[in-house]
Amino acid sequence: AQKITQTQPGMFVQEKEAVTLDCTYDTSDPSYGLFWYKQPSSGEMIFLIYQGSYDQQNATEGRYSLNFQKARKSANLVISASQLGDSAMYFCAMRETARGSYIPTFGRGTSLIVHP
Amino acid sequence: SQTIHQWPATLVQPVGSPLSLECTVEGTSNPNLYWYRQAAGRGLQLLFYSVGIGQISSEVPQNLSASRPQDRQFILSSKKLLLSDSGFYLCAWGEGFREMNTEAFFGQGTRLTVV
Repeated sequence: AQKITQTQPGMFVQEKEAVTLDCTYDTSDPSYGLFWYKQPSSGEMIFLIYQGSYDQQNATEGRYSLNFQKARKSANLVISASQLGDSAMYFCAMRETARGSYIPTFGRGTSLIVHP
Repeated sequence: SQTIHQWPATLVQPVGSPLSLECTVEGTSNPNLYWYRQAAGRGLQLLFYSVGIGQISSEVPQNLSASRPQDRQFILSSKKLLLSDSGFYLCAWGEGFREMNTEAFFGQGTRLTVV
């Protein structure tokens, strides 16, 4: 079974508007970390934001915020004031304990296109 | 500061030829190391991970293998490439269990085309 599910293969947003990218996860570990990465067409993976399972507040990093709903096991990425440079693939990832180490598991990604 | 180097950036290989992709990390010790593969338009599939020298765990059965001859060196190999091995290969490193809230850091990736 998939541990990270991103149900939106593609999303479109108008420049300067906000957009939410969905991510749900599945784990039985009480302690885990959730991450979002951006992958532009160049292929590099750029870390955006992190949320720990015990964090009481939603993580924010500039225009990025993570809407963490632990009971629902969701960790949606919100990008405010979209810019043309935000057009990229976005991946949700989770680190959970496995054999004493933390293995990052990734979702299939969401392609975001920002229109001018 | 820590850096990760992965090479080559692009590779075109004939079917049946061998493969060797190399990844090295600087500025840290005893990192966890990972090899991922990304097929066109798909997510990242974990292939191998290593928590120490000589310790390799395989996630997906295939004709690829990995080795970690030194603490900060991770090598992905194949004796005979298949067409289905084409894809974008990413090496990454991360802290171990003592630092769960740190992200994985990625290399620039290798675009492999098997022809």
